Amino acid sequence: DAMVIQNPRYQVTQFGKPVTLSCSQTLNHNVMYWYQQKSSQAPKLLFHYYDKDFNNEADTPDNFQSRRPNTSFCFLDIRSPGLGDAAMYLCATSPARDEQFFGPGTRLTVL
Amino acid sequence: SQQGEEDPQALSIQEGENATMNCSYKTSINNLQWYRQNSGRGLVHLILIRSNEREKHSGRLRVTLDTSKKSSSLLITASRAADTASYFCATDVGRDDKIIFGKGTRLHILP
Repeated sequence: DAMVIQNPRYQVTQFGKPVTLSCSQTLNHNVMYWYQQKSSQAPKLLFHYYDKDFNNEADTPDNFQSRRPNTSFCFLDIRSPGLGDAAMYLCATSPARDEQFFGPGTRLTVL
Repeated sequence: SQQGEEDPQALSIQEGENATMNCSYKTSINNLQWYRQNSGRGLVHLILIRSNEREKHSGRLRVTLDTSKKSSSLLITASRAADTASYFCATDVGRDDKIIFGKGTRLHILP
């Protein structure tokens, strides 16, 4: 089945230790998004790609970087995780101007 | 940055009753979408309404859009226990497929 896959589902890292979260899709959608969602809050857009065009939100910390090497894959790199970065990270794809398809999320714990 | 604001923030109703949630937004949109999220899970797309549409139905869901008031409503008829979840509106703004989520309404269906 076509879908959006996120790995790992749960990630534990230490304060300051870089971490990479991955997202892959079999839907061949042009647009991929990364959201951060903290407990009982709305998903907050970090950045998104239209094909290879990268769009960074103005309030996304520099600590967060992203790569999209091809249509299918997108990565979120957190260079020096702080305690405040503990959250659910959601990846979504869209064929543009249409609904988003979300992955199950990666829950990040920072010790 | 937050584009949409849902109202109310929380809603508890008896099973079988109708639930209405509202979303207001600030800037012009290409479309508006509603999503459901069960506790600790990913987001599920419910319905998308485009800026040139005024009303849309899907099963027990009815969505309206008033672009002059920059508002939308989601009506769930004949609510069921399984409808207990958080509901978010999300707006597609600008020309770069940016999608921003509102703060959400937590719906609780009482048996």
